[in-house]
Amino acid sequence: GDSVTQMEGPVTLSEEACLTINCTYTATGYPSLFWYVQYPGEGLQLLLKATKADDKGSNKGFEATYRKETTSFHLEKGSVQVSDSAVYFCALSDSRDDKIIFGKGTRLHILP
Amino acid sequence: GAVVSQHPSWVICKSGTSVKIECRSLDFQATTMFWYRQFPKQSLMLMATSNEGSKATYEQGVEKDKFLINHASLTLSTLTVTSAHPEDSSFYICSASQRGDRRGFGAGTRLSVL
Repeated sequence: GDSVTQMEGPVTLSEEACLTINCTYTATGYPSLFWYVQYPGEGLQLLLKATKADDKGSNKGFEATYRKETTSFHLEKGSVQVSDSAVYFCALSDSRDDKIIFGKGTRLHILP
Repeated sequence: GAVVSQHPSWVICKSGTSVKIECRSLDFQATTMFWYRQFPKQSLMLMATSNEGSKATYEQGVEKDKFLINHASLTLSTLTVTSAHPEDSSFYICSASQRGDRRGFGAGTRLSVL
């Protein structure tokens, strides 16, 4: 079945450092890809998404490009802030049934 | 937005009792609601999908008699963990979707069964 694999955490960085969180997927069809973020004590929030190959999703300085050839959707940010500390989930959805399948999540700590 | 409220956020119960968790979509009508379970350091595992007014569809390995799901209206779904046991202790998260166009997640419910 469909699945998502993302890098293990926690990831600890200093403020203004560069961030990459790797994510690869396995899917039989042509899924939509997502990054969700969960801040402490809050529900999951959609950070960005891409619905087809070569699409780039972006939001709040974060970017991810849908790479069909490498089945990847890595999350990147050029300069992280303390407020970016959260858990990040890579996910995919097959539009046939509206389900979302998540990776295990990566906890990110940003030090001032 | 797509605001989803989940209640309670934390519940402790004795083994053998039943626990009900509510999930409400506050600013949209949810055609579909999903229930997930998350173990420590694990991904969110989809338990079941429910459409308003119809029976829930459970994922393989999820006991439908243990985890009762009711989706009585377009804004409310409930998950009841019946005769809870310590192995049911987990973090449960609901999601509400309006045909995939709008989707929100609850903040989750931490269940501890003593």
